[in-house]
Amino acid sequence: QSALTQPASVSGSPGQSITISCTGTSSDVGHYNYVSWYQQHPGKAPKLLIYDVTTRPSGVPDRFSGSKSGNTASLTISGLQAEDEADYYCDSYTTSSSYVFGTGTKVTVL
Amino acid sequence: QVQLVQSGSELKKPGASVKVSCKASGYTFSSYAINWVRQAPGQGLEWMGWINTNTGNPTYAQGFTGRFVFSLDTSVSTAYLQISSLKAEDTAVYYCVRAPFTSNSWFDPWGQGTLVTVSS
Repeated sequence: QSALTQPASVSGSPGQSITISCTGTSSDVGHYNYVSWYQQHPGKAPKLLIYDVTTRPSGVPDRFSGSKSGNTASLTISGLQAEDEADYYCDSYTTSSSYVFGTGTKVTVL
Repeated sequence: QVQLVQSGSELKKPGASVKVSCKASGYTFSSYAINWVRQAPGQGLEWMGWINTNTGNPTYAQGFTGRFVFSLDTSVSTAYLQISSLKAEDTAVYYCVRAPFTSNSWFDPWGQGTLVTVSS
């Protein structure tokens, strides 16, 4: 199972919106609505941001939103803040009854 | 609060074995699965598989069969990852993470991670 494809890096200024894409196949992202997103600060464990494509767990700011179209899922961060600087990973359940993570995207706040 | 606490960093020689523990608290251990995820230095996340905390049945992802073993001690709400015949390429941070049985939706929370370093 190949990793889902994410851009290596995305940057934006404080207050701007950025979008991170996550491209898979019809066997993972395109097949199920089981796409989740995780935020990882350096030296820390990942933290769940979004699950089931669009659902935010309690405690996650509504600046984070998810969507999906076909084989590509997206995470949008609105009103970018300094603390949003981190690595972001998408994840999808697959038709092989396994999970596959994305390649990861480093978000830089300019 | 719900948390997973993992054992500390390990330094091992090639060919040795290591056992990483993951102790759960704040919820009913047998109500959720435990998954394991690897992150090599400077690299992304890689799903290793999961263990059913009700039956003890493990499922391993491709690339993690043979030398990797998931196990449980339900009496102390703890999951284990054992890696045998360690190689330099096993050097990574290993995370345990909780997942629901009822859907394939999410991983939360994550343990703090255990760094396993394999070096002669």
